[in-house]
Amino acid sequence: EAGVAQSPRYKIIEKRQSVAFWCNPISGHATLYWYQQILGQGPKLLIQFQNNGVVDDSQLPKDRFSAERLKGVDSTLKIQPAKLEDSAVYLCASSSRAPGPTLGTQYFGPGTRLTVL
Amino acid sequence: QKEVEQNSGPLSVPEGAIASLNCTYSDRGSQSFFWYRQYSGKSPELIMFIYSNGDKEDGRFTAQLNKASQYVSLLIRDSQPSDSATYLCAGGGGNTGKLIFGQGTTLQVKP
Repeated sequence: EAGVAQSPRYKIIEKRQSVAFWCNPISGHATLYWYQQILGQGPKLLIQFQNNGVVDDSQLPKDRFSAERLKGVDSTLKIQPAKLEDSAVYLCASSSRAPGPTLGTQYFGPGTRLTVL
Repeated sequence: QKEVEQNSGPLSVPEGAIASLNCTYSDRGSQSFFWYRQYSGKSPELIMFIYSNGDKEDGRFTAQLNKASQYVSLLIRDSQPSDSATYLCAGGGGNTGKLIFGQGTTLQVKP
């Protein structure tokens, strides 16, 4: 079974530029998550999708970050314009179980390491 | 603010010893707890999860959950140098099932 795929693996941009990350979850997984992991910290949830609907985006900085999951499979996370503090690893994860009190296991992709200069 | 707290470490243990990693959480609504291992430069990989009070064993790993004390732990028996990594504790549940991660504990197993 193929895992969660992400691209690109690395990205270096200047502040105020825009960037987009792509994620393809494990086949059949309806729930998709985007996390931001700053060096030395645990992953922080940015947005959670169930199929193509947003379940939780309470920690997504909506003035600069956007995400979509058209057709309920692949997802794209965009930052525009980027700030220095956006330098982090952006992790995509997927789960086969619908959100609720008892969670399904989340499987992580390799991540995209973003450096903003 | 719902939080999961871990000591960042590093926790250093000799090879063959038992490593004990601890985690506390603030949200009593959390029902699911996960331990992930993250090697430097890599993404988190699941070690095990626990939903019920008590112990759950999987090979060299034992997860412990005490909901009354809001405490989760991971024991690693016969620690190996390959166990050296950052261990992330995560808790979740509630309406959306949002998973909240701790900052991770760095474990160093010395040969």
